[in-house]
Amino acid sequence: QKEVEQNSGPLSVPEGAIASLNCTYSDRGSQSFFWYRQYSGKSPELIMSIYSNGDKEDGRFTAQLNKASQYVSLLIRDSQPSDSATYLCAVAGSSNTGKLIFGQGTTLQVKP
Amino acid sequence: KAGVTQTPRYLIKTRGQQVTLSCSPISGHRSVSWYQQTPGQGLQFLFEYFSETQRNKGNFPGRFSGRQFSNSRSEMNVSTLELGDSALYLCASSGAGGRETQYFGPGTRLLVL
Repeated sequence: QKEVEQNSGPLSVPEGAIASLNCTYSDRGSQSFFWYRQYSGKSPELIMSIYSNGDKEDGRFTAQLNKASQYVSLLIRDSQPSDSATYLCAVAGSSNTGKLIFGQGTTLQVKP
Repeated sequence: KAGVTQTPRYLIKTRGQQVTLSCSPISGHRSVSWYQQTPGQGLQFLFEYFSETQRNKGNFPGRFSGRQFSNSRSEMNVSTLELGDSALYLCASSGAGGRETQYFGPGTRLLVL
């Protein structure tokens, strides 16, 4: 079992729709969770961080965390073609050091 | 604030050579983490430095090493390069490491021929 798992996609949604990206993790002691966006040929860019169970909203983005189910998700409302990218789920494990464990990423395609 | 900077941005080396990559964190950040990104393996953690000390190390051979200076700038070194070392090398900085948010630099793309 991989430590952080994501569906690689591609996930294709029409412009204006809601895109839903999912991630599961194996370390029950994990405390911090991050979503990064990576455009082709570029470095990862932080979208959201979430630390507590529940929802966290920032503009068109909502992160959801359920520690009991070891599940974190990212919703993108009103998807735009510029949202087309790879979305990486990252988890900081139970050790208190700067190690992030990444999923393989989900490729999102938003079609005009 | 200026972001994380990495030099050089692109590098071409041949097998057997060694390479040194540099990373300057965001001002005030004391933790620097290094990652390797390849199409097959994705983003993998190499090591993390905080206050000049390596706090954690990933599952990479000893050919991969790093250090951090008193101004928090960090370098990583890869000796005896292999074809499989071709990758995007990313560094990320955070205030104190641990579970804090990490901000990535633009990366150094290394091609080993």
